[in-house]
Amino acid sequence: SQQGEEDPQALSIQEGENATMNCSYKTSINNLQWYRQNSGRGLVHLILIRSNEREKHSGRLRVTLDTSKKSSSLLITASRAADTASYFCATDNSGGSNYKLTFGKGTLLTVNP
Amino acid sequence: ETGVTQSPTHLIKTRGQQVTLRCSSQSGHNTVSWYQQALGQGPQFIFQYYREEENGRGNFPPRFSGLQFPNYSSELNVNALELDDSALYLCASSFFARVAGDNEQFFGPGTRLTVL
Repeated sequence: SQQGEEDPQALSIQEGENATMNCSYKTSINNLQWYRQNSGRGLVHLILIRSNEREKHSGRLRVTLDTSKKSSSLLITASRAADTASYFCATDNSGGSNYKLTFGKGTLLTVNP
Repeated sequence: ETGVTQSPTHLIKTRGQQVTLRCSSQSGHNTVSWYQQALGQGPQFIFQYYREEENGRGNFPPRFSGLQFPNYSSELNVNALELDDSALYLCASSFFARVAGDNEQFFGPGTRLTVL
């Protein structure tokens, strides 16, 4: 079953604009991670934010986490055509010694040159 | 590039057949997880292997099975293939730490399986 739900399902913007994607989840988490996937290929890890963190930056990426609302957002600033991809949030909500990620359905981002 | 490799890249099988997919972990990692990604969906956890034993399983039937070898590489086996098994199969390696919080997984490029 999918834990996270990304919003919007699809987003189309012009190069140079900012892109914001949101993710909501249902259960408590250890951390939340964002991944990028190009054209049905492997997933590329973008950023991990722990449950006790509220904001994290990595280059042009900014991630926020609100555990009270069970939501996260990914902001990509000054977008480029190469940012065109599907973006997934994934939660680590496993307990004990088992570790797994639960993914949402993703947001398809298209950046037009 | 994550250092995680998978083979083959693409595979076509017919219903009822069996398939084996392979994954080589990133150097230094001791855990391998397998995910199934249907078209237009997010990846779904199949199972994880740690120290050559299954360490957690998602909602998949027993005809999905796996192995982890001493060099931490892994195989995913699917018996009695069904049309709905058509998907991208991703493996991810990580270093298992008993303290949860920073378990980052590194994904391979995937194997595209088509069942006719």
